[in-house]
Amino acid sequence: QVQLVESGGGLVKPGGSLRLSCAASGFAFSDYYMTWIRQAPGKGLEWVSYISTSSTYITYADSVKGRFTISRDNAKNSMYLQMRSLRPEDTAMYYCAKAHSTGWYQFDYWGQGSLVTVSS
Amino acid sequence: DIQMTQSPSSLSASVGDRVTVTCRASQNIGKYLNWYQQKSGKVPKLLIYGVSTLQSGVPSRFSGSGSGTDFTLTISSLQAEDFATYYCQQTYSTLWTFGQGTKVEIK
Repeated sequence: QVQLVESGGGLVKPGGSLRLSCAASGFAFSDYYMTWIRQAPGKGLEWVSYISTSSTYITYADSVKGRFTISRDNAKNSMYLQMRSLRPEDTAMYYCAKAHSTGWYQFDYWGQGSLVTVSS
Repeated sequence: DIQMTQSPSSLSASVGDRVTVTCRASQNIGKYLNWYQQKSGKVPKLLIYGVSTLQSGVPSRFSGSGSGTDFTLTISSLQAEDFATYYCQQTYSTLWTFGQGTKVEIK
């Protein structure tokens, strides 16, 4: 069965860095776009970034552009989110999700999330 | 960026009620519209993609419609397990965006 497991979250000071990982299993990882979504405490969903199957296409939400970097390693069935210059407003649960590469790019499987807290 | 606006932000309904949630895009997004359900403390779940296609395993009381800029999620007969927050999402542009969510509460 499809599994997505995030790791790497934690408490970090403003201006600090953190790297999230998403380990995938149960599907042909290299055939699917992958994406990060976050949810601040008590708030709605915010799409963060996506990466295409061979990393050709990468986009970021304006709120993280220039500070976050998405990447993937198809040999390791893993995706990453390098987060730099973190701000208190980046505090959120970060979910990775599998996105269809054709059609409507729907997110059909989500991980359980990794909590990032940015605070001094 | 394409803005997605849902209405209402919240609603109260009873079991058995017909419930409608509206999502409006700031520009034409064709059929690149998906719906997700999130129960309190849980991971979001895909309900509908491409405006009207039900994800496998989703009950048929859920349906979606619309095109262009105006879309609707309908629950034909609300069940106890449907109390949750619902989000629309567009994947038309290269910057994907969610609506702010509609919380469906028990009346």
